[in-house]
Amino acid sequence: GEDVEQSLFLSVREGDSSVINCTYTDSSSTYLYWYKQEPGAGLQLLTYIFSNMDMKQDQRLTVLLNKKDKHLSLRIADTQTGDSAIYFCAERENTGFQKLVFGTGTRLLVSP
Amino acid sequence: NAGVMQNPRHLVRRRGQEARLRCSPMKGHSHVYWYRQLPEEGLKFMVYLQKENIIDESGMPKERFSAEFPKEGPSILRIQQVVRGDSAAYFCASSPQAGANTGELFFGEGSRLTVL
Repeated sequence: GEDVEQSLFLSVREGDSSVINCTYTDSSSTYLYWYKQEPGAGLQLLTYIFSNMDMKQDQRLTVLLNKKDKHLSLRIADTQTGDSAIYFCAERENTGFQKLVFGTGTRLLVSP
Repeated sequence: NAGVMQNPRHLVRRRGQEARLRCSPMKGHSHVYWYRQLPEEGLKFMVYLQKENIIDESGMPKERFSAEFPKEGPSILRIQQVVRGDSAAYFCASSPQAGANTGELFFGEGSRLTVL
C-alpha cells in the first residue's frame, strides 16, 4: 500500500529557514499536502501542490516536488517560534475522494 | 461560520465500555471522514461517509468499530468493548464534495479517548 515517510524532528533557531522533507510511494497521487498540527489541536492545511507542478510559493512557504524521486519538501523562511508544531505531509490516493495518506509527522522546534 | 465540531474533546472509558464520538461537519459539507492518530504517529484513515451511506470503510477494524452519518444529526463513531489499544485521538474531517479541486479536508479538533 501507499506509504509516506518523514524525519521525526527538526530544530532551528528563530529567523533561520526550516526545510521539512517527505517521501511518498504512490506515483498516481494527484495532490500532495502539508498540514500543521499545534499541541492539542486538529490539523490545519498549510498548502498543497498539484502533481503537475514542481514548485509552489505562498508567502513564507515554498513547496518543492520531485515526481521522479517522489520527494516533497516544505521550506519555511524566517522561521518564528509560533511555527513550532508538527508538520504532516499527505498524499491523496487516486480514489476520486479525499482519502489522504499521512506521514508520521515532523516535530519542528524553533528556539529563540 | 462554524468549523467541524467534535465532541466530546476528551473521553475516559474503562475496558469493556462503549465510546461514542460525534462529529458535525462544516455547514454545507456532506462528506465526512474519520481518522485515528495513535500516540506519536500520523493519522490513519478509518472511514468515509456521505449522508446515510458508508462509502469506504477499508481502514476500520473489522470488529467493535462502527460509523454512521444519518440524514439528520452528526456523524457517530462508535467503539464497543473498548480496549487499551483504542486509546488515541480520533479526528473527523469534512469536505464539500467528493472530488473537490484542491482536495482539502477541514479537520475538527479531535476527540481524545483514554481507556483505563
